[in-house]
Amino acid sequence: EAQVTQNPRYLITVTGKKLTVTCSQNMNHEYMSWYRQDPGLGLRQIYYSMNVEVTDKGDVPEGYKVSRKEKRNFPLILESPSPNQTSLYFCASAGTGTYEQYFGPGTRLTVT
Amino acid sequence: QQQVKQSPQSLIVQKGGISIINCAYENTAFDYFPWYQQFPGKGPALLIAIRPDVSEKKEGRFTISFNKSAKQFSLHIMDSQPGDSATYFCAASGMDSGGSNYKLTFGKGTLLTVNP
Repeated sequence: EAQVTQNPRYLITVTGKKLTVTCSQNMNHEYMSWYRQDPGLGLRQIYYSMNVEVTDKGDVPEGYKVSRKEKRNFPLILESPSPNQTSLYFCASAGTGTYEQYFGPGTRLTVT
Repeated sequence: QQQVKQSPQSLIVQKGGISIINCAYENTAFDYFPWYQQFPGKGPALLIAIRPDVSEKKEGRFTISFNKSAKQFSLHIMDSQPGDSATYFCAASGMDSGGSNYKLTFGKGTLLTVNP
């Protein structure tokens, strides 16, 4: 089954404790992206990647890092999480030349 | 700066009725306009999408109407069912100047409730 998976689905952590949210897709997509969803703000792009070793900032990249060492994986790294990063995070992927993005199930992060 | 404005924020419709959600955009470089459906605890799922070279696209009970001159597009759900109750997001996308980002710019969402 074609899908985007994220882990963990739920995470509660404390301020300053580094964490990584993994994202993996099995559709051989070149493009991957991270979004955060906040009430009243919709979804906003954090980072994206056009292919292996090619990443760039989206609209709200502050406080986040990403890496793309393999085509299928695109982890989101919060090196020093803060409470304002409490949010619902979605990973998405798309094939080259298409705008059709497929979203993962989401990771709900709470930073206390 | 909000580039895609969506209304209404919430909508209650009776079973069998028509649900209409509207969006307006500002950036004329946008050339792809999808609608996503999101159920609680799930990620957004692509419902239907349109390109600006057509004014309407229909898939089953779902129709997108697109008005390029007014920079507006809307989602119509015919014969709305309780199973359609979800949050709906409009979005817009267009290749950035670097030719590398398929970023979706989302509206803020509409919570649709279809009463039985």
